[in-house]
Amino acid sequence: GESVGLHLPTLSVQEGDNSIINCAYSNSASDYFIWYKQESGKGPQFIIDIRSNMDKRQGQRVTVLLNKTVKHLSLQIAATQPGDSAVYFCAENIQNYGQNFVFGPGTRLSVLP
Amino acid sequence: GAVVSQHPSRVICKSGTSVKIECRSLDFQATTMFWYRQFPKQSLMLMATSNEGSKATYEQGVEKDKFLINHASLTLSTLTVTSAHPEDSSFYICSAYRRFGDNEQFFGPGTRLTVL
Repeated sequence: GESVGLHLPTLSVQEGDNSIINCAYSNSASDYFIWYKQESGKGPQFIIDIRSNMDKRQGQRVTVLLNKTVKHLSLQIAATQPGDSAVYFCAENIQNYGQNFVFGPGTRLSVLP
Repeated sequence: GAVVSQHPSRVICKSGTSVKIECRSLDFQATTMFWYRQFPKQSLMLMATSNEGSKATYEQGVEKDKFLINHASLTLSTLTVTSAHPEDSSFYICSAYRRFGDNEQFFGPGTRLTVL
C-alpha cells in the first residue's frame, strides 16, 4: 500500500555522535530499498541502497541494515555533522514488479552543536 | 549521477488560474517519470506515473482532470494544475526513472506552489 503522511518524528543528536534512523517497511515482497535525504525546500537525494539478499551495506559514514524478518530498515550515520540535519526517508521497491517506490513517513534529524 | 531539473522552482498564482510545472531529465532518457506532492512535515505522496507517449496513470484520489500530465518526449514531463485553489498549495516533486542495474529514481529539486 501507499505510505501515509504523518507528522514527522524527530531525532536530535549531538554533533559528533552516531545517529540511528529507523524505518518499518510495509511490503514483505519488497526487495530493494533506498535511503533518501531531503533538505528543506529541496528534492530527495540518494544516500545508500540495499538489496534484499544483503543485511548490511556500508557507504561513506553511513551504514544501512536490513532485517527482513521484521521488515525493518535502519540508517546509521557515524560522527554526525551539522550538514546531516535533514529529513530522511526510506523507500521500498519490488525490482521485477514495477518502477514505483513507496516512501516511509520520514524522520527529521536535528544535529545539536 | 543523473540530473533532473524542475521549472519553476517557486510559483505564486491566484485562485482559478492554471500552473504548468516542467520536469526534465538532463543527461539521460526517462521513459517513466513520477509526480509527487509533499505537504509540510509529511512524506512524499505519489500522484501519478507519467509514461512517454501514453496516458499517465493516476493514484487513487488524484483527479486526472485537475492535474494534467503530459510526457511528450523522453526527457520532459509536464504537470499542469488546472483551476488552482489554495488547498493545491504544496511542494511538487518529480522523479525520472532509469533502470541501470537496479531500479533508480532521480529526483528533481521540487516546485513550491502557493495559490492565493
